[in-house]
Amino acid sequence: AQSVTQLGSHVSVSEGALVLLRCNYSSSVPPYLFWYVQYPNQGLQLLLKYTTGATLVKGINGFEAEFKKSETSFHLTKPSAHMSDAAEYFCAVSATGRRALTFGSGTRLQVQP
Amino acid sequence: IAGITQAPTSQILAAGRRMTLRCTQDMRHNAMYWYRQDLGLGLRLIHYSNTAGTTGKGEVPDGYSVSRANTDDFPLTLASAVPSQTSVYFCASKPTDLDSPLHFGNGTRLTVT
Repeated sequence: AQSVTQLGSHVSVSEGALVLLRCNYSSSVPPYLFWYVQYPNQGLQLLLKYTTGATLVKGINGFEAEFKKSETSFHLTKPSAHMSDAAEYFCAVSATGRRALTFGSGTRLQVQP
Repeated sequence: IAGITQAPTSQILAAGRRMTLRCTQDMRHNAMYWYRQDLGLGLRLIHYSNTAGTTGKGEVPDGYSVSRANTDDFPLTLASAVPSQTSVYFCASKPTDLDSPLHFGNGTRLTVT
């Protein structure tokens, strides 16, 4: 079985502040982990992924995430928020990449000027 | 431009009517998926197909059917629509290699009245 929990359905930060979006997963086998971003009225775009190897992964638009097996977490961070980062963010897991992705419920990020 | 095309982009449908959502990809991806997106629930898998000629049930398959006659097309049919099927529907695809991410279409917004 696999599942994802995203803590916080809404996160608000000031422009230039640190962005931290939390994701915890459950998987009985090694997980492949993904973060996707969705802008209004659009499909989902891949931000970054972890499959194997280095546990700190860097993605597009300055985002990065760290896979922590002991904490079953894959939190998304960005040092300095930009207005254009306002969107909904989804964490997703696939057991060894062989199963369809299971998504979290999403976190809507607001960036205040 | 390579990608996934979904049609229609939006539809209002009377309850009890039959509806087929279309999905076509030109990337020659083997695997295709249908997800529905509902507020607070994230994306939930309806049906999937690992390769042409095969399909499988996801997390919320009831009331939906799919077919995969060829690699490119993966239509989703609602045999008799009900208001609880009001949602945004996303088609996605991915190649065979395990660590490849999903590619998403722009979605179909369906309202069942």
